[in-house]
Amino acid sequence: EDQVTQSPEALRLQEGESSSLNCSYTVSGLRGLFWYRQDPGKGPEFLFTLYSAGEEKEKERLKATLTKKESFLHITAPKPEDSATYLCAVQALVGAQKLVFGQGTRLTINP
Amino acid sequence: GAGVSQSPSNKVTEKGKDVELRCDPISGHTALYWYRQRLGQGLEFLIYFQGNSAPDKSGLPSDRFSAERTGESVSTLTIQRTQQEDSAVYLCASTPQLSSETQYFGPGTRLLVL
Repeated sequence: EDQVTQSPEALRLQEGESSSLNCSYTVSGLRGLFWYRQDPGKGPEFLFTLYSAGEEKEKERLKATLTKKESFLHITAPKPEDSATYLCAVQALVGAQKLVFGQGTRLTINP
Repeated sequence: GAGVSQSPSNKVTEKGKDVELRCDPISGHTALYWYRQRLGQGLEFLIYFQGNSAPDKSGLPSDRFSAERTGESVSTLTIQRTQQEDSAVYLCASTPQLSSETQYFGPGTRLLVL
């Protein structure tokens, strides 16, 4: 069964304090790994898709990386507006095109 | 253009009543998904529609849940005889084309069953 585990569940940082969020996964053949941002009361907002080990993608203060077992979302010099829940999901090569999500990491950036 | 829209944004119902939730995908998107998100949890897949193909219903938790989609337009998720454990946010997503994997989500419907 495809599975995604995110850690930590919650993370508090000071503005400017860089850190990383972890997403460990098991999947029967990876089609893609997805990162989403979710603000309270809203639907997930797409950030990145990674397809193969070694791939990296960047957007502003965020960089996502991928290995065969996990993905990291690195946040550099975060600002309070980066506070949100970050969701990781995988899509398998075979079967339904559904996404299997982790439970998310709730990130709070204090000014 | 407009994103995925869902209605109602909030729904409060009594245990045992039926509810209908609506999703309007982005125009031209061929695939549509429903997910459920319980408080503090990740999203759980419910059902997937792709064009005129038979839907993938493998995520529906019980036969009280059903969904319909007309062509490549609106979808309705129906929950019959609601239970308190059905309380959750129900999210809809769509993708622009068959080969695209990026799912774009609507704002969700927050369902509370009393």
